Amino acid sequence: DTEVTQTPKHLVMGMTNKKSLKCEQHMGHRAMYWYKQKAKKPPELMFVYSYEKLSINESVPSRFSPECPNSSLLNLHLHALQPEDSALYLCASSPTGYNEKLFFGSGTQLSVL
Amino acid sequence: DQQVKQNSPSLSVQEGRISILNCDYTNSMFDYFLWYKKYPAEGPTFLISISSIKDKNEDGRFTVFLNKSAKHLSLHIVPSQPGDSAVYFCAASDNYGQNFVFGPGTRLSVLP
Repeated sequence: DTEVTQTPKHLVMGMTNKKSLKCEQHMGHRAMYWYKQKAKKPPELMFVYSYEKLSINESVPSRFSPECPNSSLLNLHLHALQPEDSALYLCASSPTGYNEKLFFGSGTQLSVL
Repeated sequence: DQQVKQNSPSLSVQEGRISILNCDYTNSMFDYFLWYKKYPAEGPTFLISISSIKDKNEDGRFTVFLNKSAKHLSLHIVPSQPGDSAVYFCAASDNYGQNFVFGPGTRLSVLP
């Protein structure tokens, strides 16, 4: 299994909703990432978990809350989002998180109304 | 301030010819570089990587060249195929390798 699986593929939510994005990998990777990509822009790093501990938070607003329940799972909890948060949210993983290629999921396309 | 630049937003190439995609970086601490290919509404797919101890890495039709003194790398695709049409991102990381910075991407169109 060389896949990173993200659910849901599409999500529409209102500004008062609470929702969660999920990411799963069974490659035994110990580093997992959340990236955000706006249309026609490059992916931008949000969070990195290394060995289930948050190692990088790129000054992301608190309305985004990451969680790593175990080494295979990564969640992104969303609350009180703004329309400008609409984007493609990409999860990625790598074996140890140090100078290795990232394996990306296909993303969750999020629309905030 | 962009640390990774891809100055050509788009490139069109005839099928069978060579495609050359360029990438420049400003951070001298970057020592590991990746190229990704991306189709719309999909995640990026890894193509090829190079570390700063090398100046060339080859994998099938894909070759990446690194010029550290010029802080420049390029991806060569030979021969180009219509299925190569996608957006190509260059990405770089520093010694710790956890924070990959992506360039803005180049849209490659390979014409039959």
